[in-house]
Amino acid sequence: ETGVTQTPRHLVMGMTNKKSLKCEQHLGHNAMYWYKQSAKKPLELMFVYSLEERVENNSVPSRFSPECPNSSHLFLHLHTLQPEDSALYLCASSQDLVAGGGNEQFFGPGTRLTVL
Amino acid sequence: AQKITQTQPGMFVQEKEAVTLDCTYDTSDQSYGLFWYKQPSSGEMIFLIYQGSYDEQNATEGRYSLNFQKARKSANLVISASQLGDSAMYFCAMTRRSNDYKLSFGAGTTVTVRA
Repeated sequence: ETGVTQTPRHLVMGMTNKKSLKCEQHLGHNAMYWYKQSAKKPLELMFVYSLEERVENNSVPSRFSPECPNSSHLFLHLHTLQPEDSALYLCASSQDLVAGGGNEQFFGPGTRLTVL
Repeated sequence: AQKITQTQPGMFVQEKEAVTLDCTYDTSDQSYGLFWYKQPSSGEMIFLIYQGSYDEQNATEGRYSLNFQKARKSANLVISASQLGDSAMYFCAMTRRSNDYKLSFGAGTTVTVRA
């Protein structure tokens, strides 16, 4: 595997379900991110981890719970979601959190989540 | 606060022609970075090109070039010799140089390349 991988690619869940999204980066990067991409809205940064420490939590509802067990893996645990949470969830990584410019992020293919 | 504006929701371009995607931004920072990403229908966001606010030369990466006009606060992407595989959504984004993990994205422009 190369780059950033995400599983599952598609997920349909009911509002009472608990599920988890998984992200793995094979780039040796130190920072990882979760984004939400809803229809007709710009990408929204949800969570940021640097060396397994959470450094950003952009007022995300508690029904989304991130976990970063090591610098290569990132999870997003989902619990009692709402239909408006249906979106494409993208994971990304970058070499470091702050690089003084040109700190490009590498994205995975995303998980298309539908909440019924 | 930073704001990115992409006014073209969708564009059609003939294969082998060039296309310019508009991006304007609003920031009070003096030091910042500008990015373009491509998102095909598969969903993955692909980094294309980066321009630092203090870079004097316009950035180029293969068929991609960034037309950076600092005074106008614009960072247009030019794709030369369009290919069918260029059909995708294109996003302009920016960060503060001092805090350059926080990407602020525009709404995106859909490009469809016709044979």
